[in-house]
Amino acid sequence: QKEVEQDPGPLSVPEGAIVSLNCTYSNSAFQYFMWYRQYSRKGPELLMYTYSSGNKEDGRFTAQVDKSSKYISLFIRDSQPSDSATYLCAQRSNDYKLSFGAGTTVTVRA
Amino acid sequence: EAGVAQSPRYKIIEKRQSVAFWCNPISGHATLYWYQQILGQGPKLLIQFQNNGVVDDSQLPKDRFSAERLKGVDSTLKIQPAKLEDSAVYLCASSLGAGGGAETQYFGPGTRLLVL
Repeated sequence: QKEVEQDPGPLSVPEGAIVSLNCTYSNSAFQYFMWYRQYSRKGPELLMYTYSSGNKEDGRFTAQVDKSSKYISLFIRDSQPSDSATYLCAQRSNDYKLSFGAGTTVTVRA
Repeated sequence: EAGVAQSPRYKIIEKRQSVAFWCNPISGHATLYWYQQILGQGPKLLIQFQNNGVVDDSQLPKDRFSAERLKGVDSTLKIQPAKLEDSAVYLCASSLGAGGGAETQYFGPGTRLLVL
């Protein structure tokens, strides 16, 4: 079983729609939960991180962590064509190592 | 602030040949990472350096891969001999401190390797 499983996608949505991205994880030691965005032919860039359970909002982006069900989500409101990218969830335990999901490719149609 | 620099951006080689990738991290960053990202998968850590010492190389195929970070700054990753399954994007990242907690890793653009 992989440590981090991510909904494979791809997702295609019209501009202005809400995008919902999900991951599950198996390692209870994970404490930090990150979302990275990766544009085509670029390296990943950190979008948001959450420590332990709860919600975190940053502009149009909301990250949720439910440690009881080992489920993390990213929501993008009022999606824009510039949000078209691959979104990677990642988790870190106390050994500093990041474990990434496989990524979900999102296309926002103008 | 300049980002993480990598070269070359693309490389095509025949199997059994050797290849080397270069990374220059963000100035002042203590920790440097090499990841392998196979098409359709997330990045997988190959090796992590803190300054010029190896912190984690548990997933580095040491029979063919080697890496060094001389003087705690630039780093090179070498594959010798290359196999078809080594076709991937090789990402270099750096972080200011030891890489724990919520510390951000900054990624370079990657080197796309195709092994024929």
